[in-house]
Amino acid sequence: EVQLVESGGGLVQPGGSLRLSCAASGFTFSSYWMSWVRQAPGKGLEWVANIKQDGSEKYYVDSVKGRFTISRDNAKNSLYLQMNSLRAEDTAVYYCARDYRVFRYWGQGTLVTVSS
Amino acid sequence: DIVMTQTPLSSPVTLGQPASISCRSSQSLVHSDGNTYLSWLQQRPGQPPRLLIYKISNRFSGVPDRFSGSGAGTDFTLKISRVEAEDVGVYYCTQATQFPQTFGGGTKVEIK
Repeated sequence: EVQLVESGGGLVQPGGSLRLSCAASGFTFSSYWMSWVRQAPGKGLEWVANIKQDGSEKYYVDSVKGRFTISRDNAKNSLYLQMNSLRAEDTAVYYCARDYRVFRYWGQGTLVTVSS
Repeated sequence: DIVMTQTPLSSPVTLGQPASISCRSSQSLVHSDGNTYLSWLQQRPGQPPRLLIYKISNRFSGVPDRFSGSGAGTDFTLKISRVEAEDVGVYYCTQATQFPQTFGGGTKVEIK
């Protein structure tokens, strides 16, 4: 059974940093693109970033470029999102999702709140 | 960026009756590889999104056959043949033909 479990969310002040993790199991992690998608409270979905199987290609939505970094550790079956210079508008539930173009599997999400 | 527009915003439906959601894209979703990367997601209250349909009309594993997708180019439709109580939630269309991947604003399906 495919499982994606996010962690690392919490309350952080504007300008602060946070690192999200996503632990994957039930599939060969190193064979799949992985993505982060976020959802602001009461709002719709927004793709944030994705990363190729070997980490050689990474893409970001414009609003997080230069502030967020996606990475992965295939030996640990884990996906990460390093978030720096956080803003109030980054407040959202962050989901990790498997695949590229078609998000077949989603985690339960982790809430990031940016507030003073 | 491609804008995805869903209608209606809300759809009150009687149990056992059909429901239909429309999704229109601001540009054609036909990719140069011949595929149309249009998917439908369901998000039940308090739950993460769940893939229902991909590439217009392909049902994902475990999705009941009362869900069907159709369309082409810029106009797409998700149909639920007979709505059940567990279908309550918000439905999103999403395109991945052109970077960046974008989502529709969502359609809330609720029981009358």
